[in-house]
Amino acid sequence: RKEVEQDPGPFNVPEGATVAFNCTYSNSASQSFFWYRQDCRKEPKLLMSVYSSGNEDGRFTAQLNRASQYISLLIRDSKLSDSATYLCVVTPRNTGGFKTIFGAGTRLFVKA
Amino acid sequence: EPEVTQTPSHQVTQMGQEVILRCVPISNHLYFYWYRQILGQKVEFLVSFYNNEISEKSEIFDDQFSVERPDGSNFTLKIRSTKLEDSAMYFCASSERGQGTEAFFGQGTRLTVV
Repeated sequence: RKEVEQDPGPFNVPEGATVAFNCTYSNSASQSFFWYRQDCRKEPKLLMSVYSSGNEDGRFTAQLNRASQYISLLIRDSKLSDSATYLCVVTPRNTGGFKTIFGAGTRLFVKA
Repeated sequence: EPEVTQTPSHQVTQMGQEVILRCVPISNHLYFYWYRQILGQKVEFLVSFYNNEISEKSEIFDDQFSVERPDGSNFTLKIRSTKLEDSAMYFCASSERGQGTEAFFGQGTRLTVV
């Protein structure tokens, strides 16, 4: 099983749609979780951290289910500018928190 | 807004040559990282650096690689004898604290080994 696994997509959605991405991780001792977005040939940019209680930032909602080792990202009211690859990132606890593991990413295309 | 800067943006080198990739992390950050991304593949962790020493490295970070913080602002990645398979985008990142806090990435150096 891959350390961090994501559905590669692509997800093709119209503007205004709601879209959800899932991510599973294999190391139950993982301690920190993030969603990054990456535009084509650019650097990853932090979208949001994921907290145990779930958290929301505007149109974006992140959820964490430790029991199922599962993270999700929900995007509401999709914009054209949301088109990007969304990366699930996990930090294993037993590494002291220095090593981060990236998923391969889920591609999103938002169309007018 | 403070940012991580990397130079050069693109480097072409011949196989077997040494390259040094340079990074200036965000000034109040204490933790520094290098990652690489081979075209079309996922971002891979190479090494983390804190308090002037390597805190963790991946299997990719073998004896061909080294990192250094030569002064108070720069953080470098050296590849001693480049191979064709070292061709990738190399990202530097920094974070204010460790323990999995948010890392901020530079724009990357695209290394092409010919």
